[in-house]
Amino acid sequence: QVQLVQSGAEVKKPGASVKVSCKASGYTFTDYYVHWVRQAPGQGLEWVGWIKPHTGATSYAQKFQGRVTMTRDTPISTAYMDLSNLRPDDTAVYYCARTASLSYGMDVWGQGTTVTVSS
Amino acid sequence: QSALTQPASVSGSPGQSITISCTGTSSDVGGYNYVSWYQQHPGKVPKLMIYDVSNRPSGVSNRFSGSKSGNTASLTISGLQAEDEADYYCSSYTSSTYRVFGGGTRLTVL
Repeated sequence: QVQLVQSGAEVKKPGASVKVSCKASGYTFTDYYVHWVRQAPGQGLEWVGWIKPHTGATSYAQKFQGRVTMTRDTPISTAYMDLSNLRPDDTAVYYCARTASLSYGMDVWGQGTTVTVSS
Repeated sequence: QSALTQPASVSGSPGQSITISCTGTSSDVGGYNYVSWYQQHPGKVPKLMIYDVSNRPSGVSNRFSGSKSGNTASLTISGLQAEDEADYYCSSYTSSTYRVFGGGTRLTVL
């Protein structure tokens, strides 16, 4: 079945970096965009950015530019989100989700990865 | 890019209909027919309910419908059921950042 499986929870100190993975299965990885969306505790959804696995093209929300890097490893159908210079307010559940194009709805989501930033 | 504007909460009784609004600008909601809606139960992963303003993915109940007028999109849930109680988020394609979410609406079934 079509699914996105994310890596496990992370606990990081302020100033550190975190790399979250998202492994796709059940569909052709390069046919869909992968978006990253985060949700802070008790808060709403916030779009972080996307990567186009076919070409490696990326686009990031202005808020995260300079701190986020999205990459992919197509042979293993896995996308990655690297967030650096972590702050306590980066504490959130990070989701990956796919779309068939830049405009389509996010029809399949990963299970989420909790990232906790605390000294 | 500012978040789309949604009411913080709405409520309705079982069997009734409710509508959740999502207001943006001509650069997002008003400029494209690419509004989607997501349902999220507490502690769960968001689920796509509506895409391209008014289309339902396979498996989503036809009690859920979407529409748009100008810069405001709407999600209507008819025949409210207890299981509909959840948070709902709208999202739109945008000309600048490609994607923006609304702040979310908590639906309470009385």
